[in-house]
Amino acid sequence: AQSVTQLDSQVPVFEEAPVELRCNYSSSVSVYLFWYVQYPNQGLQLLLKYLSGSTLVKGINGFEAEFNKSQTSFHLRKPSVHISDTAEYFCAVTPRGETSGSRLTFGEGTQLTVNP
Amino acid sequence: GAGVSQSPSNKVTEKGKDVELRCDPISGHTALYWYRQSLGQGLEFLIYFQGNSAPDKSGLPSDRFSAERTGGSVSTLTIQRTQQEDSAVYLCASSLVGVLGSGYTFGSGTRLTVV
Repeated sequence: AQSVTQLDSQVPVFEEAPVELRCNYSSSVSVYLFWYVQYPNQGLQLLLKYLSGSTLVKGINGFEAEFNKSQTSFHLRKPSVHISDTAEYFCAVTPRGETSGSRLTFGEGTQLTVNP
Repeated sequence: GAGVSQSPSNKVTEKGKDVELRCDPISGHTALYWYRQSLGQGLEFLIYFQGNSAPDKSGLPSDRFSAERTGGSVSTLTIQRTQQEDSAVYLCASSLVGVLGSGYTFGSGTRLTVV
């Protein structure tokens, strides 16, 4: 079984400041990792994912995340945020190598609020 | 279709009534998932479909909840005798089977309010 912990439930930042949203996971098997974003009254949209290879992955809207196997972390970062980045962000994992029925396990989400 | 479509987008129902929530996945996506998102909480897995069968329904919270999928496409989540604790956003997602790490595409959800 897998579990995901998002260490901050709310992160307020000012516009153009850098931000880091923290995610740690626990799993007895290797996993794929994902970050999703949810804008108000919308479904979840995939930001980026780590499958293999370089541990630094780049996603949409200028976000990137770094996989750290030894620390079982997958923190999301953006060097300069915009008001439009205000949303809820979810970290998720699924067992590596499963091609069907692989349930995503989600963290509880981090609300990012960007203030002017 | 181009995306995952859910209907209705909002549903207000009286306690004790039955409700049906619909999900129309992306064409060609054989895997379909239902999740529930309660206020201030993360996403709670409910059920997974592969084609028309549900190999994993372990997340359904009680026997008042059921789901079916027909034609390997549209799925319906039914909640009988609704209770106030059923109030939540119900999210549907679909994915490609056989593609490693493909992730999900989510619909916009149905916001259910039981009064």
